[in-house]
Amino acid sequence: NAGVTQTPKFQVLKTGQSMTLQCAQDMNHEYMSWYRQDPGMGLRLIHYSVGAGITDQGEVPNGYNVSRSTTEDFPLRLLSAAPSQTSVYFCASSYGTPHASYNEQFFGPGTRLTVL
Amino acid sequence: LAKTTQPISMDSYEGQEVNITCSHNNIATNDYITWYQQFPSQGPRFIIQGYKTKVTNEVASLFIPADRKSSTLSLPRVSLSDTAVYYCLVGDNSGNTPLVFGKGTRLSVIA
Repeated sequence: NAGVTQTPKFQVLKTGQSMTLQCAQDMNHEYMSWYRQDPGMGLRLIHYSVGAGITDQGEVPNGYNVSRSTTEDFPLRLLSAAPSQTSVYFCASSYGTPHASYNEQFFGPGTRLTVL
Repeated sequence: LAKTTQPISMDSYEGQEVNITCSHNNIATNDYITWYQQFPSQGPRFIIQGYKTKVTNEVASLFIPADRKSSTLSLPRVSLSDTAVYYCLVGDNSGNTPLVFGKGTRLSVIA
């Protein structure tokens, strides 16, 4: 099992550019989530999905879009990148809802994004 | 949603036992307490979870008093490789409210 994989590892964008951060999991988990982590801060939930075709907003959804066409993949789209979106992005998956602490979340290695 | 409070940072020498306490005064009856560990440049990983009393695994122990208003993560005989950020999470068992990771406790192990 590869677990949760993310691509790319690093990305530099100019303000206004768009891009998609890829996330895939091979554990057949129904739930997938995207978090961002800023320096000295904890993780903040951007969007999450409870299954193929179903997504919902987290704590900081503005500026990001998601879709879930398959169980395995959960891409995160930045439509028009802004410097405030400079951060490290983590994708996670879990068997049960990520909102319940008893459901272990498996995290990917992260994507470090810089927006100039 | 139970809010958690934990120290921002801790230092320890190699070989010592480290205890990190998390306060969660508003914990609900059905909430579990979960700890994650995050090494530099990696995503967090689950290390231990409990509901009450004591839980032990190969990585750590978790002590939860009877009132469950706090919990203590215990790392026995730490090594340099235990340098990481440790997050305490307490979840709404209904699953309706997103979990909050918070800033965690940054543990630095010194040789």
